[in-house]
Amino acid sequence: GQQVMQIPQYQHVQEGEDFTTYCNSSTTLSNIQWYKQRPGGHPVFLIQLVKSGEVKKQKRLTFQFGEAKKNSSLHITATQTTDVGTYFCAGGKFYNNNDMRFGAGTRLTVKP
Amino acid sequence: NAGVTQTPKFQVLKTGQSMTLQCAQDMNHEYMSWYRQDPGMGLRLIHYSVGAGITDQGEVPNGYNVSRSTTEDFPLRLLSAAPSQTSVYFCASSRRQGNTGELFFGEGSRLTVL
Repeated sequence: GQQVMQIPQYQHVQEGEDFTTYCNSSTTLSNIQWYKQRPGGHPVFLIQLVKSGEVKKQKRLTFQFGEAKKNSSLHITATQTTDVGTYFCAGGKFYNNNDMRFGAGTRLTVKP
Repeated sequence: NAGVTQTPKFQVLKTGQSMTLQCAQDMNHEYMSWYRQDPGMGLRLIHYSVGAGITDQGEVPNGYNVSRSTTEDFPLRLLSAAPSQTSVYFCASSRRQGNTGELFFGEGSRLTVL
């Protein structure tokens, strides 16, 4: 079945450093979404990518969707303490985009 | 605007007991789903529904039942709880437009099965 793998599992950075998390699927995805979950909270939608090779930016966050629509990345430039949380990718199955599978998440901690 | 409301927020069950986790949304979303979240495993899809009267299985459906009699409600039933079902459960809804749409999550229900 479809698996969505995400690395690294944990990342600890100094404030101001960059951060990247990677998401890889064993099968082609119809779309990929990224979510952020603060400790004790619920996942909150960040962005959705649909097109092959798509790149989107939100202030210090850059999201990419691979050409083969099997991988994606989230890059944060100059991390801040407010970036702390767990970042999840979620991929829609190619033939059934209603079946959204999440990666295990990357937990980011930021030292001031 | 309440969004997605889950009840209860916390529940402790004994093995073999049954219970229903309630989920309601007031955004007129056609799509609703249930996920469970366990440490180190992300969110795993249990069941989902694309509209009233339509449900489908996700990645980990065993031990759980769902029904969708109205657009607003999507309850998750545990018929005979097991310790392996100890988890945090999230309900999510979405207004599907074309390919897909963002998921709006409830605040979660923490279930402990003894």
